[in-house]
Amino acid sequence: EDQVTQSPEALRLQEGESSSLNCSYTVSGLRGLFWYRQDPGKGPEFLFTLYSAGEEKEKERLKATLTKKESFLHITAPKPEDSATYLCAVRGFKSSGSARQLTFGSGTQLTVLP
Amino acid sequence: DAGVIQSPRHEVTEMGQEVTLRCKPISGHNSLFWYRQTMMRGLELLIYFNNNVPIDDSGMPEDRFSAKMPNASFSTLKIQPSEPRDSAVYFCASRTSRGGGSYEQYFGPGTRLTVT
Repeated sequence: EDQVTQSPEALRLQEGESSSLNCSYTVSGLRGLFWYRQDPGKGPEFLFTLYSAGEEKEKERLKATLTKKESFLHITAPKPEDSATYLCAVRGFKSSGSARQLTFGSGTQLTVLP
Repeated sequence: DAGVIQSPRHEVTEMGQEVTLRCKPISGHNSLFWYRQTMMRGLELLIYFNNNVPIDDSGMPEDRFSAKMPNASFSTLKIQPSEPRDSAVYFCASRTSRGGGSYEQYFGPGTRLTVT
């Protein structure tokens, strides 16, 4: 069974204060690791997909990186509009060789203060 | 282009009543997913469909829950009878599995269900 653990549960930053969110995972073969952003009262919004260790993806102030055991979402010089819950999800393989569906972590609630 | 559409956005019902949640996926998407989100358990997959066919319903908590997808543009999730522990936000998501590519799912705005 795939497992995802995100830390910290909550993070408060001052505007411009860079930091990282962590996503540790356990899968029997990684088919993909996904980052989503969720604003209050809305559905998750897709950010990135990473497939192999060493891969990096960037979007504005966000950069996602991947190792064999964890992923980091780096936030550089955050702004108040970056405040949201960030969800990590993994897709692994079943014993049959077919791919599982997404398993989500519990998320990191990020607050960026002006 | 319209995203995933869910209705109603909010539902308040009494224990024992039947509840039906509705979803219209993004046009052209052929996979549809129903999720439930609670503070205690996070985001959990309930069931998903490929080309209108249910593929895996192992996440459906019990027989009180059922889902249908009569055509490519409509799906329902029904709870009968509802219980207070069913209170949660229910999301529908869709994606296309045609042509390979990445696996991103597009989520609707959710239905917040409260069972009293």
